[in-house]
Amino acid sequence: KAGVTQTPRYLIKTRGQQVTLSCSPISGHRSVSWYQQTPGQGLQFLFEYFSETQRNKGNFPGRFSGRQFSNSRSEMNVSTLELGDSALYLCASSIGGGTESGNTIYFGEGSWLTVV
Amino acid sequence: AQTVTQSQPEMSVQEAETVTLSCTYDTSESDYYLFWYKQPPSRQMILVIRQEAYKQQNATENRFSVNFQKAAKSFSLKISDSQLGDAAMYFCAYRSYSGTYKYIFGTGTRLKVLA
Repeated sequence: KAGVTQTPRYLIKTRGQQVTLSCSPISGHRSVSWYQQTPGQGLQFLFEYFSETQRNKGNFPGRFSGRQFSNSRSEMNVSTLELGDSALYLCASSIGGGTESGNTIYFGEGSWLTVV
Repeated sequence: AQTVTQSQPEMSVQEAETVTLSCTYDTSESDYYLFWYKQPPSRQMILVIRQEAYKQQNATENRFSVNFQKAAKSFSLKISDSQLGDAAMYFCAYRSYSGTYKYIFGTGTRLKVLA
C-alpha cells in the first residue's frame, strides 16, 4: 500500500508570491491534516480535513488555507509569502472517525519551502 | 488547553544499551491517545508506538515500550538494545479522544546512538 505522497518535495519562492502544496493520502484514508515544522516552533498544527470538510484549524493567519477533494487528496495554499513561512510542511493522513485505528496519523515526507 | 513537554532536548546512548525518553503532558480530559513518533534525518515521521489512555497496560512494540503513568501525566519511551538506526528526533504527541482532531506535539528529543 502506497504511503502519503507530497508534492513538490522542494521549492523556492519569493516573498509576496503564493504557493500550493499537494498531498495524496494513503488509500482508504479520509482524513488529511497539515503541520508546519520549523526549528524554532517545532510541529504546529495547521488544519485537518475529513470528507472535504475542515474539521479543525490551528492558529495560523488567513494566508494559510486548504481544501480537500472528493478523492481525499488535499492541497494547502499560502498566499503573500513571508520569509517566516520557510519551513517543512508535513501532511498526514488517517482513516478518520472515532475508531482506535482511525486516530493514528501517518506522515508524508514533507515539502520543503524556502522563501527568499 | 493541552500541552506536551519533552524536557530532554538531546540524549545519548551506547549501542546495545537502554535509554528512556521523557514526556509529560497536561490535560483535563480523561480519554485521549498518546504517541511517540520518530523523525530520522530523512525527515519522514514514523509512528513508533501508541497508547490509549483507557488501557492500563503499557504498550510494547519489539524493542520499544512505554511507561504510561496516567495520574502523573507521564508517558516515557524506553528503547532497549539501542541500534545505530535508532538515532533520530523523537516526538511525543497527544490527541483528544473526541472533539478536536489535531495532534499536539512536544518539542522533540534528539537521540544519538554511539558505536
